[in-house]
Amino acid sequence: QKEVEQNSGPLSVPEGAIASLNCTYSDRGSQSFFWYRQYSGKSPELIMFIYSNGDKEDGRFTAQLNKASQYVSLLIRDSQPSDSATYLCAVLAGNNRKLIWGLGTSLAVNP
Amino acid sequence: EAGVVQSPRYKIIEKKQPVAFWCNPISGHNTLYWYLQNLGQGPELLIRYENEEAVDDSQLPKDRFSAERLKGVDSTLKIQPAELGDSAVYLCASSRGGTGAEQYFGPGTRLTVT
Repeated sequence: QKEVEQNSGPLSVPEGAIASLNCTYSDRGSQSFFWYRQYSGKSPELIMFIYSNGDKEDGRFTAQLNKASQYVSLLIRDSQPSDSATYLCAVLAGNNRKLIWGLGTSLAVNP
Repeated sequence: EAGVVQSPRYKIIEKKQPVAFWCNPISGHNTLYWYLQNLGQGPELLIRYENEEAVDDSQLPKDRFSAERLKGVDSTLKIQPAELGDSAVYLCASSRGGTGAEQYFGPGTRLTVT
């Protein structure tokens, strides 16, 4: 089992819909969770981060943590074609303080 | 605030040749990371610096890769000699504080080894 797992997709949603991206992690001691967006040919861009004490909303983006089931979600409301990208989840491992990356989920928002 | 700067953006070399990448982090960010990213994969950490000290280089192939951050600001990553399998994007990132802090990436250097 990989330490951080994401469905590779592609996840396809119509414009204006809610896109839901999930990331599961294996280290129960993890306390910090990051979502990065990566457009094709570009570098990762930080869009959201949360800690183990709660969820977070920023504009159209909401990050939610389910500690019991060990997954973190990214919700994108009112999806736009410009949201089409690969979304990378990164989790800070509890013991060695190393950031563990998922392989990313490809999102396609169709006009 | 200026972002992470990397150069060159693209590099094509023949195998067995040396190559070097340069990174200047965001001002005030004491932690600097070098990552490697292959197509369809997440970033893979090569080395992490806290100021001028390499605190995690466990994934750096030390037989051919080296890095330095002499004054705790900008950094250089070198490969000598390059192999075909080194073709990838080399990303530099920085953060204010340790690994738990948010990391910000530079544009990357796309290396092609022929």
